[in-house]
Amino acid sequence: EVQLVESGGNVVRPGGSLRLSCAASGFTFDDFGMSWVRQLPGKGLEWVSAIDGKGGTTYYADSVKGRFTVSRDNAKKSLYLQMNSLRAEDTAFYHCARGTFYMINWGKGTLVTVSS
Amino acid sequence: EIVMTQSPATLSVSPGERATLSCRASQNVSSNLVWYQQKPGQAPRFLIYTASTRATAIPARFSGSGSGTEFTLTISSLQSEDFAVYYCQQYNNWPRTFGQGTKVEIK
Repeated sequence: EVQLVESGGNVVRPGGSLRLSCAASGFTFDDFGMSWVRQLPGKGLEWVSAIDGKGGTTYYADSVKGRFTVSRDNAKKSLYLQMNSLRAEDTAFYHCARGTFYMINWGKGTLVTVSS
Repeated sequence: EIVMTQSPATLSVSPGERATLSCRASQNVSSNLVWYQQKPGQAPRFLIYTASTRATAIPARFSGSGSGTEFTLTISSLQSEDFAVYYCQQYNNWPRTFGQGTKVEIK
């Protein structure tokens, strides 16, 4: 069974940093690109970032480009999102997902709150 | 970026009836369109890809159609477990973009 478990969400002040992690199991991790998708509580979905299976190619939404960095450690079967210069509008649940075209499996998400 | 527009925002349907949800892309995405279902407090669930192919274990009452800029998700006979929010997403271009969702509620 595929499992994706996010961690690292927290309350942070504007301008602060946070690193999210996603632990994957149940599939051959390095065979798949991975994505981060965020969702404001009670609102819709916004794609944030993606990375290919080897970690050599990354993609970002314009809203986070230059502030967020996606990475992966295939030996640890883990996906990461380094979030810098956080803004109030980054407040959301952050889901990791298997796939970069479509998101085949999703984690339950971790909540990031940016507030002073 | 490609803008995805879903309609209606809310669809009120009685159990056993058909539900038809629409998704429109601001430019041609070919058949690179996926549908997800999301229930309160849960992660989205992968339903249909390449506009019309059901994902593993998705019941046959869910069907997708369309190509280019106009897409439809049809639920042929709504079951109680189908009341949820449905999102479309294009994967023809970067950035990937989602529609704002259609909530299917009990009439």
